[in-house]
Amino acid sequence: DVKVTQSSRYLVKRTGEKVFLECVQDMDHENMFWYRQDPGLGLRLIYFSYDVKMKEKGDIPEGYSVSREKKERFSLILESASTNQTSMYLCASRPDRGGKLFFGSGTQLSVL
Amino acid sequence: QQQVKQSPQSLIVQKGGIPIINCAYENTAFDYFPWYQQFPGKGPALLIAIRPDVSEKKEGRFTISFNKSAKQFSLHIMDSQPGDSATYFCAASHSFGNEKLTFGTGTRLTIIP
Repeated sequence: DVKVTQSSRYLVKRTGEKVFLECVQDMDHENMFWYRQDPGLGLRLIYFSYDVKMKEKGDIPEGYSVSREKKERFSLILESASTNQTSMYLCASRPDRGGKLFFGSGTQLSVL
Repeated sequence: QQQVKQSPQSLIVQKGGIPIINCAYENTAFDYFPWYQQFPGKGPALLIAIRPDVSEKKEGRFTISFNKSAKQFSLHIMDSQPGDSATYFCAASHSFGNEKLTFGTGTRLTIIP
């Protein structure tokens, strides 16, 4: 079974801190994604990556950046955390041929 | 701009009933329509998906109905069980390849015994 592992289940940070959310997948998938999930808003795409060192903006990239130095790892960076970035963050991966997304269990981030 | 509209936001159905969740899309280039199921504390997982060359797809108790002309698709759960209680997301994308998925806002389904 594909496993997508997010480094933290819960995270509490202070406004202005730089925050790193890590995601690792073990199935050699080319595509990786970061979503945030908010009640009533569903899943919104922040950034995605088709391959190592490649990245593309999703629908809500403002205030975020990403890094993909290795195929299995995709990091989401909040340069200066703000309270409106309090959310559930979900990482997902997918084979290059498309289709099924495999999600991690999520990181609930609280910015105080 | 929301490209996939999902309703209802929440739904309570008695065990054995048939909950129906509806989605509508705007982009006629969409050609892949999956449904994801999410249990509390877990990430979403693919439940069933359809492409617009068919009007219906069944997998076990789950059925997708697709209406291309109306740009709508829906999820039906036959003989619903308390274990089906979860949040359901519809989604759509341009192709089966590298295009990103656009998700609906989700439906929290509760099946009561």
